[in-house]
Amino acid sequence: NAGVTQTPKFQVLKTGQSMTLQCAQDMNHEYMSWYRQDPGMGLRLIHYSVGAGITDQGEVPNGYNVSRSTTEDFPLRLLSAAPSQTSVYFCASSYAISTYEQYFGPGTRLTVT
Amino acid sequence: AQTVTQSQPEMSVQEAETVTLSCTYDTSESDYYLFWYKQPPSRQMILVIRQEAYKQQNATENRFSVNFQKAAKSFSLKISDSQLGDAAMYFCAYRRRPGGSNYKLTFGKGTLLTVNP
Repeated sequence: NAGVTQTPKFQVLKTGQSMTLQCAQDMNHEYMSWYRQDPGMGLRLIHYSVGAGITDQGEVPNGYNVSRSTTEDFPLRLLSAAPSQTSVYFCASSYAISTYEQYFGPGTRLTVT
Repeated sequence: AQTVTQSQPEMSVQEAETVTLSCTYDTSESDYYLFWYKQPPSRQMILVIRQEAYKQQNATENRFSVNFQKAAKSFSLKISDSQLGDAAMYFCAYRRRPGGSNYKLTFGKGTLLTVNP
């Protein structure tokens, strides 16, 4: 098992550019989520999904879109990048029933200039 | 809304000694889970230990143990015989009992632990 994978590991964008952060898991987890980590802020939930075709907003969803067309993939889209979106982004996944451990990907460091 | 507070932004400990990291949380729920995650410089989030709120017994994983005080809403992490590899950012996290869409982890702001040789 590769676990939770994220690409790219690093990315630099100019203000106004768009991009997609990729997240994939091979554990057949129903639940997937995106967090952002900023200095002194801990991790904050952006969006989450409890299964293919089902997504919902987390704590800080503005400026981000998600979709879940398959169980394995949960991409995060930045439509028009802003410097405030400079952060480290983590994808996480878990089973939906009877377990409570979330598995995290290695993170993507995004810089918006 | 649930909140998690880590009042110690930074802590340091001598190698082989014991250190305790503090965490308090606020919730109106009676059934939930608490976690400590470790984030070394590699950035990978690693689960250290977890505690189910309905269990009175404190969780233990090798050199890591917790002091869970449900009434006080306190969940501290004790690291015994500290090793250089324990140096990392430590996050306390809360999660409601799974069901429906209750999978969100609420994190504290973290405590940076330094281990001195």
